[in-house]
Amino acid sequence: AIRMTQSPSSFSASTGDRVTITCRASQGISSYLAWYQQKPGKAPKLLIYAASTLQSGVPSRFSGSGSGTDFTLTISCLQSEDFATYYCQQYYSYPPTFGPGTKVDIK
Amino acid sequence: EVQLVESGGGLVKPGGSLRLSCAASGFTFSNAWMSWVRQTPGKGLEWVGRIKSKTDGGTTDYAAPVKGRFTISRDDSKNTLYLQMNSLKTEDTAVYYCTTFPGGGVFDYWGQGTLVTVSS
Repeated sequence: AIRMTQSPSSFSASTGDRVTITCRASQGISSYLAWYQQKPGKAPKLLIYAASTLQSGVPSRFSGSGSGTDFTLTISCLQSEDFATYYCQQYYSYPPTFGPGTKVDIK
Repeated sequence: EVQLVESGGGLVKPGGSLRLSCAASGFTFSNAWMSWVRQTPGKGLEWVGRIKSKTDGGTTDYAAPVKGRFTISRDDSKNTLYLQMNSLKTEDTAVYYCTTFPGGGVFDYWGQGTLVTVSS
């Protein structure tokens, strides 16, 4: 199975900050990469697929980039509702696998 | 609006069985590939398995840790997805989510989850 890693595992930020989360795959996955947001007690929500395509309804302050093994999720101007845990997921090969998550909390 | 509502979770002893259900609405369930994903504090998010639509063959596929113990099925007349879990182990303790799984790629809609606890 393809192993996904994320960095950092957690960090603190302030409203208005530009934040970047990194995801790395153990082997090349082309652009078969998705990002999810999860808030406490809630299900994950799909934000981005195909590495950089925004899911319908997701604010444009979210963006994704990368291909191959290295990917990033960027939030251009952090809002209060963005404090959450973010997961990457590869769907290049079975089984689909998730990263361990990056928790963004309030500084 | 897409809605997925899981039910059937609870406390079960090791070696026991449990069946989860997921009631779907707001989309054409019979055309959808569906999946189960589970989440634990220790192992994070883990794909459990998927079932294709009947028009795409209706076949199932499972993650290695559950293969041979778990079975996914669907009743398109009731817009309901099922997860039959047998020979449960303590490591199956998790919140189980029902998801849509178009083309077997991303998980685009999720239910609220149901907690399964396997403990003696």
